[in-house]
Amino acid sequence: AQSVTQLGSHVSVSEGALVLLRCNYSSSVPPYLFWYVQYPNQGLQLLLKYTSAATLVKGINGFEAEFKKSETSFHLTKPSAHMSDAAEYFCAVRGNAGGTSYGKLTFGQGTILTVHP
Amino acid sequence: GAGVSQSPSNKVTEKGKDVELRCDPISGHTALYWYRQSLGQGLEFLIYFQGNSAPDKSGLPSDRFSAERTGGSVSTLTIQRTQQEDSAVYLCASSLDSYTGELFFGEGSRLTVL
Repeated sequence: AQSVTQLGSHVSVSEGALVLLRCNYSSSVPPYLFWYVQYPNQGLQLLLKYTSAATLVKGINGFEAEFKKSETSFHLTKPSAHMSDAAEYFCAVRGNAGGTSYGKLTFGQGTILTVHP
Repeated sequence: GAGVSQSPSNKVTEKGKDVELRCDPISGHTALYWYRQSLGQGLEFLIYFQGNSAPDKSGLPSDRFSAERTGGSVSTLTIQRTQQEDSAVYLCASSLDSYTGELFFGEGSRLTVL
């Protein structure tokens, strides 16, 4: 079964510093991978997704993620953190084609990002 | 509507009572998902629908949990004989189809079982 593991339940950075949120996946076939963000008191929204078209994926608000098959990773980065980036971030993977779980999205445990002034 | 609508937004119930949570997806979205979010537990998959059928209901925790979707639109998640461990935020999401992985989430129904 597809799964993702997010390393670090909490990450704290200073405003202007690099943001790096880690996600590793487990999949027997090339996966579809996603990052979602949940701002305080809001619903989750899609940040970006990887569908095998390009290994470097750009999303909203200056975030990007790179798919690395050799490392089974899909880490999320942003060069310069802003106070408004404080939120919880979730990595997710879609089920394998051909099975009943094809449409199922499995999420990681989430990483809470805190940005200090 | 403009987004996914869930009701009630908050529900407090007594242990042993039944509860129904409703989800109204974005118009035209054929796929609908239910997740449960508990503190420190991330998002736990419960079930998803493509149209009115549920290809994967493997995440329903027990036979006290059931969900249905009628007319390819509104869905209801029912929890019978609620237990304290059922306390959580229940999230609904919809998607144009079940292949894109691009889910649009509602703001959730917070369930508290006393």
